Amino acid sequence: QKEVEQNSGPLSVPEGAIASLNCTYSDRGSQSFFWYRQYSGKSPELIMSIYSNGDKEDGRFTAQLNKASQYVSLLIRDSQPSDSATYLCAVNPPGTASKLTFGTGTRLQVTL
Amino acid sequence: ETGVTQTPRHLVMGMTNKKSLKCEQHLGHNAMYWYKQSAKKPLELMFVYNFKEQTENNSVPSRFSPECPNSSHLFLHLHTLQPEDSALYLCASSPDLAGSSYEQYFGPGTRLTVT
Repeated sequence: QKEVEQNSGPLSVPEGAIASLNCTYSDRGSQSFFWYRQYSGKSPELIMSIYSNGDKEDGRFTAQLNKASQYVSLLIRDSQPSDSATYLCAVNPPGTASKLTFGTGTRLQVTL
Repeated sequence: ETGVTQTPRHLVMGMTNKKSLKCEQHLGHNAMYWYKQSAKKPLELMFVYNFKEQTENNSVPSRFSPECPNSSHLFLHLHTLQPEDSALYLCASSPDLAGSSYEQYFGPGTRLTVT
């Protein structure tokens, strides 16, 4: 079983719609969760971090965490063509002070 | 310069060459990381340094040799690489390794091609 799983996509959503990106992780007890956006040919850019169960909102982005079900999701409201990128989910497993385990990413395409 | 910088941005080297990648962070962070990103694979953590001390070597072959002279600079020395080492090499930094400050910020990466 992969430690962090994401659907590779592409996930295609029309402009203005809500994009929903999902991530599941295997290490129960993981405490820190991150979403990175990576444009083609560029490096990952941190867009959200979440540490507690529930929702965390930042502008058009909402991260949702459910530790009991071991999933974390990212919602992008009013999707724009500039949101087209690969979104990486990263998890800090328990007992590893420094390590982040990344998923392979979900490619999002926002269509006009 | 702000954030995390890396040089060179692109590197082509033969299998017998020796080269070095450089990373510098201007964020006042204490922890620095090297990652490898290959196509269709998740980011692979290679090395972790905290306050100049190596805290993790993720079973990386010895042909990759890291160096961290201070908390702001990180190098990756390369020698006798293989074609499968061709990848995007990313440097990252974070405020610390402890507590909740695990947010890592990435540099632009070095695209390495081994011929």
